[in-house]
Amino acid sequence: IAGITQAPTSQILAAGRRMTLRCTQDMRHNAMYWYRQDLGLGLRLIHYSNTAGTTGKGEVPDGYSVSRANTDDFPLTLASAVPSQTSVYFCASSRRAYRPGSTDTQYFGPGTRLTVL
Amino acid sequence: DQQVKQNSPSLSVQEGRISILNCDYTNSMFDYFLWYKKYPAEGPTFLISISSIKDKNEDGRFTVFLNKSAKHLSLHIVPSQPGDSAVYFCAASAMNTGNQFYFGTGTSLTVIP
Repeated sequence: IAGITQAPTSQILAAGRRMTLRCTQDMRHNAMYWYRQDLGLGLRLIHYSNTAGTTGKGEVPDGYSVSRANTDDFPLTLASAVPSQTSVYFCASSRRAYRPGSTDTQYFGPGTRLTVL
Repeated sequence: DQQVKQNSPSLSVQEGRISILNCDYTNSMFDYFLWYKKYPAEGPTFLISISSIKDKNEDGRFTVFLNKSAKHLSLHIVPSQPGDSAVYFCAASAMNTGNQFYFGTGTSLTVIP
């Protein structure tokens, strides 16, 4: 079944530890995104990638890094987790990066619930 | 600073009646708007979109209205069904936001059978 998978589904992590959230899509979409969802704040963009080999910063990039070595995978790494990074993380993809007049939509994965203690 | 706002955190509607979910935005450059639906423990799923060249887009029971002068869009669901109970997010993007979509905080809709 085509779509986006995320792993792990949930994780409890000690502060200061390194953690990589995995995201894989099989739709051959060029653009991929990482969001975090927090109560009262909606979905906020962390990082994005318009195409393999390129990445960009979103609204809340601090404390996170990403890589895009190929089309399908877009891992998100927390180098040294802090409690404020407790959140639900969603990976998403779209056929193309946004451009004026674009009518592409984003397809979301099921999310990773991360708790940093 | 929240550029997309959904001021109603929750809404309850009787089955068969109309549900109206509202969204306001501050960036006059936004030119593309989307609504997403989210069930618990799942990722958001795309529902309907509208570009700024239109003021209405309809897809089955779902209609999105855009009022550019008021910087306001709304999602109408008619008739509402219990399966529509979910959290609804509006999102917006513009040329000057690059690749970034700005999401509202969501409205939790409950359709009462």
